[in-house]
Amino acid sequence: EVQLVESGGGLIQPGGSLRLSCAASGFTVSSNYMTWVRQAPGKGLEWVSGIYSDGRTYYADSVKGRFTISRGDSRNTLYLQLSSLRAEDTAVYYCARGPWMSAFDIWGQGTMVTVSS
Amino acid sequence: DIQLTQSPSSVSASVGDRVTITCRASQGISSWLAWYQQKPGKAPKLLIYAASSLQSAVPSRFSGSGSGTDFTLTISSLQPEDFATYYCQQGNSFPYTFGQGTKLQIK
Repeated sequence: EVQLVESGGGLIQPGGSLRLSCAASGFTVSSNYMTWVRQAPGKGLEWVSGIYSDGRTYYADSVKGRFTISRGDSRNTLYLQLSSLRAEDTAVYYCARGPWMSAFDIWGQGTMVTVSS
Repeated sequence: DIQLTQSPSSVSASVGDRVTITCRASQGISSWLAWYQQKPGKAPKLLIYAASSLQSAVPSRFSGSGSGTDFTLTISSLQPEDFATYYCQQGNSFPYTFGQGTKLQIK
């Protein structure tokens, strides 16, 4: 079965760091474009970061310089390192496969990150 | 950044109704548009990709059309499980962006 499972969320103080993981099964992370999308409580969806199969990475301006996307090829896992966290980073973070033909076709269940003192 | 504006922001409809949601892009995006359905507490689910292609296993009552800047999602005959929030998303250029969402409620 093709699926993504996120982990690593939690409550963190402003200025803190956290690493999110996204374990894939049924396909190979390193052969696909992979993405992180977040959703603040009661709000819409926001694209955060993506990594191509060739390793190129892209970030939203709101997280550039603070977040780092990477892959653990041996573990078939996608990561998102969050640093210098702010209250406005509070959200459910989803990993997704794609885009392929403009779309993200497989999504994880999400992991909640709460930034608060 | 490319802005996507959905209309309406919310709509009330009955089972069996035909519903259309529109998505307008601030600049041309060819056919690089997708539509998603999201239910409370759940991840988004892909419905339509490349503006008009139906994702595998999605019921045929969902359809998409458009190109350039104007796009539509149509549900031909609403079923009880279709009441949810719908988002459009452009995959034409970075940063990828989403519309603000359309909440479809039971009348």
